[in-house]
This record gives sequence, C-alpha cells and structure tokens, in this order.
Amino acid sequence: EVQLVESGGGLVKPGGSLRLSCAASGFTFSSYSMNWVRQAPGKGLEWVSSISSSSSYIYYADSVKGRFTISRDNAKNSLYLQMNSLRAEDTAVYYCARVAEAARPAFDYWGQGTLVTVSS
Amino acid sequence: QLVLTQSPSASASLGASVKLTCTLSSGHSSYAIAWHQQQPEKGPRYLMKLNSDGSHSKGDGIPDRFSGSSSGAERYLTISSLQSEDEADYYCQTWGTGIHVFGTGTKVTVL
Repeated sequence: EVQLVESGGGLVKPGGSLRLSCAASGFTFSSYSMNWVRQAPGKGLEWVSSISSSSSYIYYADSVKGRFTISRDNAKNSLYLQMNSLRAEDTAVYYCARVAEAARPAFDYWGQGTLVTVSS
Repeated sequence: QLVLTQSPSASASLGASVKLTCTLSSGHSSYAIAWHQQQPEKGPRYLMKLNSDGSHSKGDGIPDRFSGSSSGAERYLTISSLQSEDEADYYCQTWGTGIHVFGTGTKVTVL
C-alpha cells in the first residue's frame, strides 16, 4: 500500500524557517518524481514544487522561488521542503504527492498533509 | 497563460448524476488534465487522468460511477448514482514544462 506521511509543520514567526518531511512507503520511491502542494485555509490547491526521481530536475512556483528548497533522500525514502523567509501567506496545509507512472505527470497519491502557520 | 476554470458549486440528489466541467484556457485545448476528489478534512484523492480525446486512466479503486469525457477545451467528470460520500470538493489539474496548475475547485453537494 502506497503511503505518504508528512511531518514538520507547526507555528513559526514571519521571517522564520521550517523544514517539512514526507516519508514514503509501499513503492520504489527512487523511481518516482515527487511534488509539494499546499492549501491555504478555506482555499484551493496550489502547486509549490517538483523534483524528479534523481533530483536532476527541480521546479518551483513563482510564489516560493528563492525562499523554498525541495530535496529528497532516496536512501531514506524521504522528500523534504526547506522553507525560509516565511510569510503569513505561506500559512497552509502542505501535501506531498507522487507523480503517476502510468498517467504521468498527474499526481496519483497524496499524503494527509501537515499544517504550517506563519504568525507573530 | 495556463488556467483552469471550474464552477464553484454543483448539487444533485442522492442516486442521481452530476457532471462537472473544467475549462482549459485559450490555446491549451489539447491538454490532458487530472481530476482529484477532496472529502472534508482529508487529503486529495486521485480519480483519473483525462486526455483530450476522452480516453482516461483511473486511479486504484475508483468506482465505475466516476467517468470522464472531453469536448474541445472542456473536460468533464460525471458522477453517477451519487452517494453521500461523494459530497466533496473536486479539483482539476493540468501541467506544462516545469509547472502544475489546479482549478479553483467545485464543491459538490448531495441533496
């Protein structure tokens, strides 16, 4: 069974930093591209960042470029999101999502999310 | 600019059908999309990838009640024999080089 479990969320002050993790299981993590997607309270989904299976290709939404860094450790079956210079508008539930193999590049599995609150 | 447009809400009675629409922006009518369901307080769930010719590939365990179709720049999700657990937000997703885009979502209410 494919499982994606996010962690690392919490309350942080504006300008602060936070590192999110996503633990993957039930599939060969090193073979799949991965993504972070966020959802502000009461709002829709917003794509944040993508990373290819070998980390060769990395992309960011304009709203986080220069502040967030996506990375992965295939030996640990883990995906990360380093978030710096956090702003109030970064407050959201952050989901990790896997890119489908048969239906790429749609996202075929999602985690349950971790809440990040940026507030003084 | 790659944009997906969805109606904010839709409703239908228990056991009836509802058809949701996701419209691709001008110049992107050949793009494939994906449909995702998000039940209250849960993470999204992948339903299917839908191509411009109407062919689609569903996610694991997605019931036959969920089907997709296409016409021009419009992509549809039809839910038949509506059940109470189908009450959720439905998002479409598309992509370009180095970018993913989501529609604003349609909230489905089961009457």
